[in-house]
Amino acid sequence: SQKIEQNSEALNIQEGKTATLTCNYTNYSPAYLQWYRQDPGRGPVFLLLIRENEKEKRKERLKVTFDTTLKQSLFHITASQPADSATYLCALDSLTAGYALNFGKGTSLLVTP
Amino acid sequence: GAVVSQHPSRVICKSGTSVKIECRSLDFQATTMFWYRQFPKQSLMLMATSNEGSKATYEQGVEKDKFLINHASLTLSTLTVTSAHPEDSSFYICSAAGTIQETQYFGPGTRLLVL
Repeated sequence: SQKIEQNSEALNIQEGKTATLTCNYTNYSPAYLQWYRQDPGRGPVFLLLIRENEKEKRKERLKVTFDTTLKQSLFHITASQPADSATYLCALDSLTAGYALNFGKGTSLLVTP
Repeated sequence: GAVVSQHPSRVICKSGTSVKIECRSLDFQATTMFWYRQFPKQSLMLMATSNEGSKATYEQGVEKDKFLINHASLTLSTLTVTSAHPEDSSFYICSAAGTIQETQYFGPGTRLLVL
């Protein structure tokens, strides 16, 4: 069955550094991969989408890479700020339900001043 | 960006009662909405796809008679948890397709606690 794995351990980094989060998947050939941000007790917020034929995507301080050979995506936040502290979710297209998404468990990021 | 709202944000009910959760797209029309459930420290799990004017499509293992979905208009989908039990306590989140169709706008979620 399809599996999406994100580092379950929280990532603690110092303000100003680059945070790098990993998403690995197995038994999957997704057409696209997305990253969402989720704050405690809130719904996810869309950040970036990268398609299978794209290697890299950028948006302001965010950068996503997509390696379909390694079946991995890396999510980078440069010049991190305490306001970036949240849980970041990796999501792939559902194989069974149209545009619905399959989510990883997320990685919690804490940026300290 | 598009806004999706949910109501209520939090509900506590007794075991055996039914609870209705509303999901509204405030400034756009959503022919398709999705309902997810999230347990603490777990990923969002898709429960069902809600299609305007037709029956919802449920994921494997989700009881359609327990989780009733109605999508009567292009801006409103409702999820009714019937005869709720403590194990139904969870965070229920709806979403609607975004302007980039593969992306989704999520509601703020509804925290359900069944006593």
